[in-house]
Amino acid sequence: GQNIDQPTEMTATEGAIVQINCTYQTSGFNGLFWYQQHAGEAPTFLSYNVLDGLEEKGRFSSFLSRSKGYSYLLLKELQMKDSASYLCAVIGNDYKLSFGAGTTVTVRA
Amino acid sequence: GAGVSQSPSNKVTEKGKDVELRCDPISGHTALYWYRQSLGQGLEFLIYFQGNSAPDKSGLPSDRFSAERTGGSVSTLTIQRTQQEDSAVYLCASSLRQGNQPQHFGDGTRLSIL
Repeated sequence: GQNIDQPTEMTATEGAIVQINCTYQTSGFNGLFWYQQHAGEAPTFLSYNVLDGLEEKGRFSSFLSRSKGYSYLLLKELQMKDSASYLCAVIGNDYKLSFGAGTTVTVRA
Repeated sequence: GAGVSQSPSNKVTEKGKDVELRCDPISGHTALYWYRQSLGQGLEFLIYFQGNSAPDKSGLPSDRFSAERTGGSVSTLTIQRTQQEDSAVYLCASSLRQGNQPQHFGDGTRLSIL
């Protein structure tokens, strides 16, 4: 089976940096995705990592270490609109996407 | 279309009734996925299609759930004899092909069973 863990909640101040960690134990590995989901809306794609290292995309960066089964999503220069749930998802050998339960990030003024 | 379209956006029905949920994927996307998301929970995989075939139905909760896809495009998820525990948001996603491709989600159907 697939096991994907991420913190339930995080709170940060506007303008700050927040790092959301995700650890996984899966049957094989074919990539890791991060999605953002605002309350009542559909998840939207943020990033994809399949090789070790850091992928930067504007204020958001995602890091992967396959040997450690670990990823993080880094959100810089936080804005109020970044308040949302962030979902870590892994593709295993069956090429099926398995999601973590999500991390709710609250940005405070 | 420009994005994944799902209908209806909201459905309220009585326990025991059948419901049919529709998903229209992004044009050209061969892979289509159905998920269920209960309040405060992660996404639960239900079924995926590659073309019109469903290689993996392992996530369907019971034999009351079925899905089909025709013409490699529109898919319908049918729930027969609905139960209160079926209340959830049903999300559809599509990707260019099955595998390590980003999945693009529709806005979902919020199903409430009274």
